[in-house]
Amino acid sequence: QVQLVESGGGVVQPGRSLRLSCAASGFTFSSFDMHWVRQAPGKGLEWVTLISYDGSKKYYASSVKGRFTVSRDNSKNTLFLQMNSLRAEDTAVYYCAKEKREVRPPPLDYWGQGTLVTVSS
Amino acid sequence: SSELTQAPAVSVALGQTVRITCQGDSLRNYNVNWYQQKPGQAPVLVIYGKNNRPSGIPDRFSGSTSGNTASLTITGAQAEDEADYYCDSRDSSANLVVFGGGTKLTVL
Repeated sequence: QVQLVESGGGVVQPGRSLRLSCAASGFTFSSFDMHWVRQAPGKGLEWVTLISYDGSKKYYASSVKGRFTVSRDNSKNTLFLQMNSLRAEDTAVYYCAKEKREVRPPPLDYWGQGTLVTVSS
Repeated sequence: SSELTQAPAVSVALGQTVRITCQGDSLRNYNVNWYQQKPGQAPVLVIYGKNNRPSGIPDRFSGSTSGNTASLTITGAQAEDEADYYCDSRDSSANLVVFGGGTKLTVL
């Protein structure tokens, strides 16, 4: 069965960096586009970034562009999110999600359980 | 505009039918997907494309679109359907994902 397990969250000071990981299993990771979506405490879902199946295409929300970098290691079935220059407003649960192919717009058909990032001094 | 607008909250009596809507200009060109999120849990896809249900989603969930408004309909709402519901679609470039603000469904 498909499993997505995020890790790397924690408490970090404003301006510092953090790297999240998402370990994937149960499907051919290298064949699917992947996303990061976040949710601030008590707020709605906010899309963060998309990376194509081969890592050649990356797209970002305007709120994180220039500060966050998405990458993947298909040999290790792992998705990453490097977060730099963190701000208080980046505090959220970060979910990785798998995109379903062959549908437009592609839905996110599997989600991890999320990892909490708290940006605070 | 790529924004998607949802009503913050909707309520329905147990066993009755409820419609949750999602409005946006982009919906004239793209379908939406719908997600259910219960407290403390990750979102779950309930409807995708024109009106498709993933395996395991009850057939009381259905989707439709008219003009710039998409709807998620729950026919015969159950207590376990109480949750937050989010729509998503793509912006005009088709590369950026946009979520609606979410609708909290209360089953009375």
